[in-house]
Amino acid sequence: AQRVTQPEKLLSVFKGAPVELKCNYSYSGSPELFWYVQYSRQRLQLLLRHISRESIKGFTADLNKGETSFHLKKPFAQEEDSAMYYCALSGGSYIPTFGRGTSLIVHP
Amino acid sequence: ETGVTQSPTHLIKTRGQQVTLRCSSQSGHNTVSWYQQALGQGPQFIFQYYREEENGRGNFPPRFSGLQFPNYSSELNVNALELDDSALYLCASSEQGINYGYTFGSGTRLTVV
Repeated sequence: AQRVTQPEKLLSVFKGAPVELKCNYSYSGSPELFWYVQYSRQRLQLLLRHISRESIKGFTADLNKGETSFHLKKPFAQEEDSAMYYCALSGGSYIPTFGRGTSLIVHP
Repeated sequence: ETGVTQSPTHLIKTRGQQVTLRCSSQSGHNTVSWYQQALGQGPQFIFQYYREEENGRGNFPPRFSGLQFPNYSSELNVNALELDDSALYLCASSEQGINYGYTFGSGTRLTVV
């Protein structure tokens, strides 16, 4: 079975502060991890994939297999980063399991 | 290139009724997945269709069923609606065998009264 845990329902920071959205997973095989984002009144969209090792909109995420984590980080938060963020894991079936999401609010 | 489109956007049904939700996949995508998202929760996987066959199923009862058509569009049918079926239903498309992530539609908000 695969499981994704996002321990924080809400994360509130000020503009310019660092951001870390936590994601822990449980999966016996080799996981594929993703972060999805949903801005207000917009559809859920893919933010980044761990296999790409890319930085999107200043966000990065590193897969830590020892700690079974895939935390999303950004060194300096912007107001436009305010959104719901979902961590997702897919195993061999390529069907992602989503966490419950973390609401990020960036105050001016 | 078009994205994923879902219809209708909103729907109100009475308990016990049946509902059909529709989804057109993104151009070039041959796989469609359906998710249920209750308020304050993450999307929960219902099932996936590939080549008009169910290709995976989550923990949902048989009254949740689906179809995929030759043009890769899809329907989600729910029979004997219950109050707890009230949720946002999301359709997502992808390309089978390629794990680039999903493209989501805007969803259908179903309210059961």
